[in-house]
Amino acid sequence: RKEVEQDPGPFNVPEGATVAFNCTYSNSASQSFFWYRQDCRKEPKLLMSVYSSGNEDGRFTAQLNRASQYISLLIRDSKLSDSATYLCVVNGPTGNTGKLIFGQGTTLQVKP
Amino acid sequence: DAGITQSPRHKVTETGTPVTLRCHQTENHRYMYWYRQDPGHGLRLIHYSYGVKDTDKGEVSDGYSVSRSKTEDFLLTLESATSSQTSVYFCAISSPASSTDTQYFGPGTRLTVL
Repeated sequence: RKEVEQDPGPFNVPEGATVAFNCTYSNSASQSFFWYRQDCRKEPKLLMSVYSSGNEDGRFTAQLNRASQYISLLIRDSKLSDSATYLCVVNGPTGNTGKLIFGQGTTLQVKP
Repeated sequence: DAGITQSPRHKVTETGTPVTLRCHQTENHRYMYWYRQDPGHGLRLIHYSYGVKDTDKGEVSDGYSVSRSKTEDFLLTLESATSSQTSVYFCAISSPASSTDTQYFGPGTRLTVL
């Protein structure tokens, strides 16, 4: 079983749609959770951290379910510029090394 | 932007030659990382550093070595490049605290080994 699993997609949605991505992780000791965005042939960039109580940043909402070891990202009112690959990221083994484990990513294509 | 540069940005080399990639940061971050990204595998950690002269292996360290003689520079060396090391290499930095391990990435180096 992969440490972080995501549906690779692609998700093809029209502008204005709401789309949700899911991610599961295997290490119950993980404490830090993130969503990164990666545009084609570019570096990953932090989209948002994910907090236990859930958090929102504009059109983006992240949720964490520790019991099920499940993370989600909801994008409302999709824009063409949201087209990218979204990486689910979880911190690695215990210890303060800052090691992160990356999912393979979910590709989103927003169409006019 | 996080003040990270990588050089070279693109390189084509031949099997068996040594290759060194450089990561340079201006942020004075303690931790630096080297990843490779390949289709079907996502980002995989090669080596990381937690201070000057302090390094450790990641999950795919075979065939790679690293050095960190200054806070701002982290070098990745392929001792004898192989075609399986054709990949995109990303450097990242972070200063982990108890509540966040956010990493910031450089622009990447595309390496082709013929």
